[in-house]
Amino acid sequence: EVQLVQSGAEVKKPGESLKISCKGSGYSFTNYWIGWVRQMPGKGLEWMGIIYPGDSDTRYSPSFQGQVTISADKSISTAYLQWSSLKASDTAMYYCARIGGLWSTTSPFDYWGQGTLVTVSS
Amino acid sequence: EIVLTQSPGTLSLSPGERATLSCRASQSVSSSYLAWYQQKPGQAPRLLIYGASSRATGIPDRFSGSGSGTDFTLTISRLEPEDFAVYYCQQYGGSWAFGQGTKVEIK
Repeated sequence: EVQLVQSGAEVKKPGESLKISCKGSGYSFTNYWIGWVRQMPGKGLEWMGIIYPGDSDTRYSPSFQGQVTISADKSISTAYLQWSSLKASDTAMYYCARIGGLWSTTSPFDYWGQGTLVTVSS
Repeated sequence: EIVLTQSPGTLSLSPGERATLSCRASQSVSSSYLAWYQQKPGQAPRLLIYGASSRATGIPDRFSGSGSGTDFTLTISRLEPEDFAVYYCQQYGGSWAFGQGTKVEIK
């Protein structure tokens, strides 16, 4: 069974750093792209970026380029989303999701993590 | 960068009625790389439709997708109580974007 399990909720202060994780199981983690999606409170879905764990090829949405870093450790089947200096406006639910095509980006997100709630408040 | 615009913002319908949701792209969506997702409160989104018209695994046949180019439609033929949710369209492939969502609520 394909599963993406995300790390738990975080409460941080502005200016702090953070790295959240998404662990894949039940499939060949190395061979499928993983994406990150932001959902601010009461708002819609926003695509942040995707990574291919096999070689760490990464693509960012222009809206998030330079604001976050996406990485992966294929040895432990885990993808990451990190911030170096959080802002209150980073408060949101963050989802990881698998792109369904083997090796390819030309498929939608077929499996999703449960989400990680990040709260940034002084 | 493609912008996806969904309409209406909210659809108020009764169980058993037909729901028609629209997604319009600012540029042609290549190879019909258009998907639809359903999201219920407190849950992650769920893939319903990909390739504009193919149902994902386990999705009931009351859900159907159509369209090409810049205009796409998600149709729910007869609304069941569990279908009241928010629906998002998404372009994938070389360029990625979500629409802003359509909420289907009980009238």
